[in-house]
Amino acid sequence: DAGVIQSPRHEVTEMGQEVTLRCKPISGHDYLFWYRQTMMRGLELLIYFNNNVPIDDSGMPEDRFSAKMPNASFSTLKIQPSEPRDSAVYFCASSPHPGRQNSGKFYEQYFGPGTRLTVT
Amino acid sequence: LAKTTQPISMDSYEGQEVNITCSHNNIATNDYITWYQQFPSQGPRFIIQGYKTKVTNEVASLFIPADRKSSTLSLPRVSLSDTAVYYCLVGRGYQKVTFGTGTKLQVIP
Repeated sequence: DAGVIQSPRHEVTEMGQEVTLRCKPISGHDYLFWYRQTMMRGLELLIYFNNNVPIDDSGMPEDRFSAKMPNASFSTLKIQPSEPRDSAVYFCASSPHPGRQNSGKFYEQYFGPGTRLTVT
Repeated sequence: LAKTTQPISMDSYEGQEVNITCSHNNIATNDYITWYQQFPSQGPRFIIQGYKTKVTNEVASLFIPADRKSSTLSLPRVSLSDTAVYYCLVGRGYQKVTFGTGTKLQVIP
């Protein structure tokens, strides 16, 4: 398996521009997660999907951020308009179905290589 | 969600065994303990997970005492390539995943 695939790997854009990050999860995984990592705030969960449906978006910083998962093999995270404080590494991760409600499998997540976003 | 506490940083010489302990005093009955490793400029990598007692895989061992209020990740005979940040997570299915600050392990030649 190729693992989680993210594109682009690096993105440099100017403030006010729209940015779209893309993710292809591991085939067969039911859950998809978007994280953001900065030196100041560490690794933060932004949103996660189960079977293409957003379950928890409480980590999305504001309305400028939106995420979609139109099918089981593709998800996007969009920032519009972008701001310098959005500069970070954005990770996508996926995990298999937990099986049982309290299974630890939900925490067994496989991360992509990340997209380093720089907003100037 | 159970709060976790782990050392901010550790140093070790190559070839030594490294033990990183994580405290989670308010762990719930159904919570699992999961450890991740993150190298610079890469995404976190799942290392090992356990519920109780001891778990071992090709990368590490995880020791969990009977009261489960702490856990210890053991890395046998570390090499320079084990230099990374190690995160301890505690929780169960469908809870919001929270990564703390992790432990920065520096392996010294």
